[in-house]
Amino acid sequence: QQKVQQSPESLSVPEGGMASLNCTSSDRNFQYFWWYRQHSGEGPKALMSIFSDGDKKEGRFTAHLNKASLHVSLHIRDSQPSDSALYFCAASDGSNNRIFFGDGTQLVVKP
Amino acid sequence: EAAVTQSPRSKVAVTGGKVTLSCHQTNNHDYMYWYRQDTGHGLRLIHYSYVADSTEKGDIPDGYKASRPSQENFSLILELASLSQTAVYFCASSRQSSQNTLYFGAGTRLSVL
Repeated sequence: QQKVQQSPESLSVPEGGMASLNCTSSDRNFQYFWWYRQHSGEGPKALMSIFSDGDKKEGRFTAHLNKASLHVSLHIRDSQPSDSALYFCAASDGSNNRIFFGDGTQLVVKP
Repeated sequence: EAAVTQSPRSKVAVTGGKVTLSCHQTNNHDYMYWYRQDTGHGLRLIHYSYVADSTEKGDIPDGYKASRPSQENFSLILELASLSQTAVYFCASSRQSSQNTLYFGAGTRLSVL
């Protein structure tokens, strides 16, 4: 069973709209979560990390973590065409520097 | 910003041939990783290393070897390349920490024919 599951697989939002991405883990030992973003032809790049329950806001991006339900989400406000990318959720229990990735959500922001 | 450089950026190999993918980091990070990315899949860990001259198996190590001759360099070796190893390969590095953000290279697109 995959340890990190993301939904939806793909998402299309209009420019200026709100994009919401979801991630659920199956391992209750996971304590650390990240969102990575990968533009076409590039390597993934860490977008945000979240290690405590609640919200973490960085500009137009807000991550929310609920460890009890093993759920983390990413909300992108005022979406821009440059936000079009593949978004990965990643999680770790911190014990051995191993990070597990979901299969990604492909976001398309239409002008 | 942290820098991870991969070479080559793309490669075409023949089935049964030997392929070596190289990775160099200037981050002074202890940990280095090799991931594979296939269409419809996320990133799957092949091998990783936390110190020079030592490597560890990841989740999909079969058909791959790794080499870490120095802190800065980490290679992925396909001794007998197969069609199923056609994919994009990413190298990454991180500090030794439970809060270990990964820094990725730009990737190597490998096609095995």
